Amino acid sequence: DIQMTQSPSTLSASVGDRVTITCRASQNIGSLLAWYQQKPGKAPKLLLYKASTLGDGVPSRFSGSGSGTEFTLTITSLQPDDFAMYYCQKYNRYSTFGQGTKVDI
Amino acid sequence: EVQLVESGGGVVQTGGSLRLYCTGSGFNFGNSAMSWVRQAPGKGLEWVSSISGGGSTTIYADSVQGRFAISRDNSQNTLFLQMSSLRAEDTAFYYCARYRGITFYGLPFDDWGQGTLVTVSS
Repeated sequence: DIQMTQSPSTLSASVGDRVTITCRASQNIGSLLAWYQQKPGKAPKLLLYKASTLGDGVPSRFSGSGSGTEFTLTITSLQPDDFAMYYCQKYNRYSTFGQGTKVDI
Repeated sequence: EVQLVESGGGVVQTGGSLRLYCTGSGFNFGNSAMSWVRQAPGKGLEWVSSISGGGSTTIYADSVQGRFAISRDNSQNTLFLQMSSLRAEDTAFYYCARYRGITFYGLPFDDWGQGTLVTVSS
């Protein structure tokens, strides 16, 4: 089974900061990687797919990069609405999520 | 607007059964593969099962294989998850999620419902 590992588990940042979250796959998954944002008590929301393609209505301050086994999610100029949990997901056939990264103040 | 509404959650005893429902609207239900994803309280996301748009292909996580069954009724725009032999570790919020295509291979989850809570208690 392919394992997905995110780092860091928690990230403390301030409004306006640039933040980067890393997701590593235990095997090559090409570009079949998505990122989701989840706020407390809410369902996850798709941010990016195919490693770097923005989801519908997602602000351009979110960006993704990588392929193969190493991927990054970058948020430029962190906004108050961005404090949340972030999960990566590989989705070739069976889906596997990373353990999540909490972005807090 | 795409809407997914889950129902059927509740408290069930260890070893018991429960059936979850997810009703979709705002899209062509039969043209969308669907999935169940769960999240134990305070924990991360775990994919559970997926089904193709026509219902002919299903896949399961190892943790539920043989105990859970996913199915759908496209005439009623409804997705089901039949859960049996429930364990304490099955306690979670269960979300239904939609793929943008008729197959689930190589596609992320475009839309999610708000979830329904299943509590397995002894």
